[in-house]
Amino acid sequence: QVQLQQSGTELVKPASSVKISCKASGYTFTSNYMHWIRQQPGNGLEWIGWIYPGNGNTKYNQKFDGKATLTADKSSSTAYMQLSSLTSEDSAVYFCARRNSGYLYYFDYWGQGVMVTVSS
Amino acid sequence: EIVLTQSPTTMAASPGEKVTLTCRASSSVSYMHWYQQRSGTSPKLWIYETSKLASGVPNRFSGSGSGTSYSLTINSMETEDAATYYCQQGSSYPFTFGSGTKLEIK
Repeated sequence: QVQLQQSGTELVKPASSVKISCKASGYTFTSNYMHWIRQQPGNGLEWIGWIYPGNGNTKYNQKFDGKATLTADKSSSTAYMQLSSLTSEDSAVYFCARRNSGYLYYFDYWGQGVMVTVSS
Repeated sequence: EIVLTQSPTTMAASPGEKVTLTCRASSSVSYMHWYQQRSGTSPKLWIYETSKLASGVPNRFSGSGSGTSYSLTINSMETEDAATYYCQQGSSYPFTFGSGTKLEIK
């Protein structure tokens, strides 16, 4: 069965960076786009971007350009998102989500989420 | 950016009641997708391609719509349906979600 296992809670200082992971299992990692989505406290969902692990291609929501960097390691079937220059506004839960195998953009499996808290 | 406006923001329904949640897009989209999120958990794909039920979703749920107006309907509300429901468009970048409808049991 498809599973996306994300890394644990992060407490980080302002102006620092953090790298969170999403380990995929139960399917061919290189065959599906991996997306990242943010949920700020009490708020809705924001799409950050995607990476295609097969070739490393990425696309970002312009809002997160320069904030988020997506990478993937085929050997370990793990996707990563690095967030830089963190401020309190970046405090949120971050989800990885697999795009479905078809040609439409929706997300059929989600990780459990990583809570990132930015505080001094 | 396509803005998705969901209504109502919050509602309460009695067991057995018919419930309709709506999602309006600021520009026409080809399909709408819906997710259910319970408190403290990750969203789950609920309805995709406007009207197809994701695996395990009870058939009291249905989806419909086209263009800029879409809806999710529960034929007969059950306690387990209490959750927040989000619509999502994948027709144009950046992909966007509605702000959600929180559905409570009365």
